[in-house]
This record gives sequence, structure tokens and C-alpha cells, in this order.
Amino acid sequence: AQKITQTQPGMFVQEKEAVTLDCTYDTSDQSYGLFWYKQPSSGEMIFLIYQGSYDEQNATEGRYSLNFQKARKSANLVISASQLGDSAMYFCAMREANTNAGKSTFGDGTTLTVKP
Amino acid sequence: DTGVSQDPRHKITKRGQNVTFRCDPISEHNRLYWYRQTLGQGPEFLTYFQNEAQLEKSRLLSDRFSAERPKGSFSTLEIQRTEQGDSAMYLCASSVTGYNRGYTFGSGTRLTVV
Repeated sequence: AQKITQTQPGMFVQEKEAVTLDCTYDTSDQSYGLFWYKQPSSGEMIFLIYQGSYDEQNATEGRYSLNFQKARKSANLVISASQLGDSAMYFCAMREANTNAGKSTFGDGTTLTVKP
Repeated sequence: DTGVSQDPRHKITKRGQNVTFRCDPISEHNRLYWYRQTLGQGPEFLTYFQNEAQLEKSRLLSDRFSAERPKGSFSTLEIQRTEQGDSAMYLCASSVTGYNRGYTFGSGTRLTVV
């Protein structure tokens, strides 16, 4: 069974500063993928970034980077140069790295508020 | 392509009634997923399809829930004999095959059972 834990229900950050959203996971799978999604108040979830368990380098996508520490089972999302539009709920998720695997397991999210 | 479409956006129904939701995925996506999200929680997996085949269904899903994707395009999710505990946002997502593929989500259908 897979489990995602996001321990920060809410976070605040000043505009233009960097922020780290925590995610820890538990799984018995040898190969897996980790994902982050953004859910604005409008409700539609947006895929941000992916990290494979065997990827040697941390994933980056624009202002988003994933701080992957496999031994600690953590996959924290780092947002650099925060913008007001980054205010949203952020979900960490994981999925077995199997072509037939479809189910993703999500955490309960972190609400990020960017202050002007 | 306009993304993943869900209909209706909101549904209010009386307890005991049946409801059906529709999802139109991105046309190039062969996978379609249904999730349920309650306030303050992350999405909970319900089921997923690859083309028209339903490959996995959550064990948490009672037999009041059924989903179809008859021609491998749009999908419907039906809830029979609704209960107040079914009140939630029902999310549809689609993707292409591949374990490193993120989902494209629709805006969801908010169900309220009164």
C-alpha cells in the first residue's frame, strides 16, 4: 500500500521569496513515480512536476523543483520566486512505476498563500 | 483541444435518487480516471480505464457505483441510491499510457445529497 503525508496544512510566503512544501511517502514498490499538482481555488488540478524513483537528478520545471531524498522518503516541492498566482492548494501524489499502473495516491494537500 | 470536460458542474439530488456524471477526456488520451475529493482532503481513487477496458476499481467503492467507457472516448459514472456520504467533488482526469505521465484533470462535478 502507498501512503503520502503532507504535514503542513497551510503555508505563507512573501512574494518573490522561495518556499518549500513538504511531502513524505511510504511504499513497498521498488519503482515508483512522485508527482505534484496545483489546485487553484477555481478547482481544476494542474500537473506540475514528476520525479522517478530511479532518477539521479532532481526534477525541475521552470520555477518548480523537486527535492528528492530517497533514503528519507521525501519529495519536497520548491517554488522559487513566488508569485501571487501561486496561491493555491498543492498535492503530492505517487504511483507505481509500472506501465499498467493507473492509480495514484494523493496526500491531503498544503494550502499556500503568497503575500504581496 | 479544450481539455477534460465534465458535466454537470453541480448536482443536487435527494437521498435515494440515482445520478449520472459524464466526462469527456482529451481525445488523444487513452486513459481515463475517476477520483472523489471531499473538503480538506486529497483525491481518492475510484476507478480507471484504458481505452474501453476498466482496469482497476477501488475496493472502497461500493456496488452502488458503476462506471463505463463504452467506446473508449467519454465515460459515465453512475451512483445509485445516493447517500449523504456521497456528497463530494467527483473529478475526472485523463492521460496517455506511461507511468511518468501526469494527469489532466477536469473541473469536477460537485454532488450534494440532501
